[in-house]
Amino acid sequence: AQTVTQSQPEMSVQEAETVTLSCTYDTSESDYYLFWYKQPPSRQMILVIRQEAYKQQNATENRFSVNFQKAAKSFSLKISDSQLGDAAMYFCAYRVYQETSGSRLTFGEGTQLTVNP
Amino acid sequence: EPEVTQTPSHQVTQMGQEVILRCVPISNHLYFYWYRQILGQKVEFLVSFYNNEISEKSEIFDDQFSVERPDGSNFTLKIRSTKLEDSAMYFCASRVDPGGNSPLHFGNGTRLTVT
Repeated sequence: AQTVTQSQPEMSVQEAETVTLSCTYDTSESDYYLFWYKQPPSRQMILVIRQEAYKQQNATENRFSVNFQKAAKSFSLKISDSQLGDAAMYFCAYRVYQETSGSRLTFGEGTQLTVNP
Repeated sequence: EPEVTQTPSHQVTQMGQEVILRCVPISNHLYFYWYRQILGQKVEFLVSFYNNEISEKSEIFDDQFSVERPDGSNFTLKIRSTKLEDSAMYFCASRVDPGGNSPLHFGNGTRLTVT
């Protein structure tokens, strides 16, 4: 079974600084996808960034980037120039590549990010 | 931009009562999901649904749960006899196809409180 682990329950960063959130996962699959979701106090789930396991290049989305280390099964999220609006719970998630229906997302425990002004 | 909509936003029910959570997926999406998040815990997969049948379900999704797509737009989650431990945020999600390039769109969730 696939598992996703986020070892940092809480992190804090100063506004305009950079922070890195850690995520590791365990899988025997070779084709899969990794995601970071943001959950603000409104509890909405917002996709931040996505990485395909077959791509060696790390995904980036504006101030958000990942460090994907497939051999180490590590998938960290870097937030640059942190803003107050980045404060939220961040979930790492995994999904196996599957052309058929289903393909559930497996989530980590989450990291609560605080941004200090 | 199209959205997944869920109603109600908050539902309070008494233990033992039946509850139906409603979702309207994005109109051209074909794959539907329910996830649950107990307060302070991780988001957990409940069930996926395609072509009017369940395609996958988790161990959480026992006989007291059921899903249905009663018409062309709604996707519902029914809990037959609610328990205190069913109190959670329930998220509906949909995607246009199961492939990797198709993102999963979440609704804003229904907070279920069982008293």
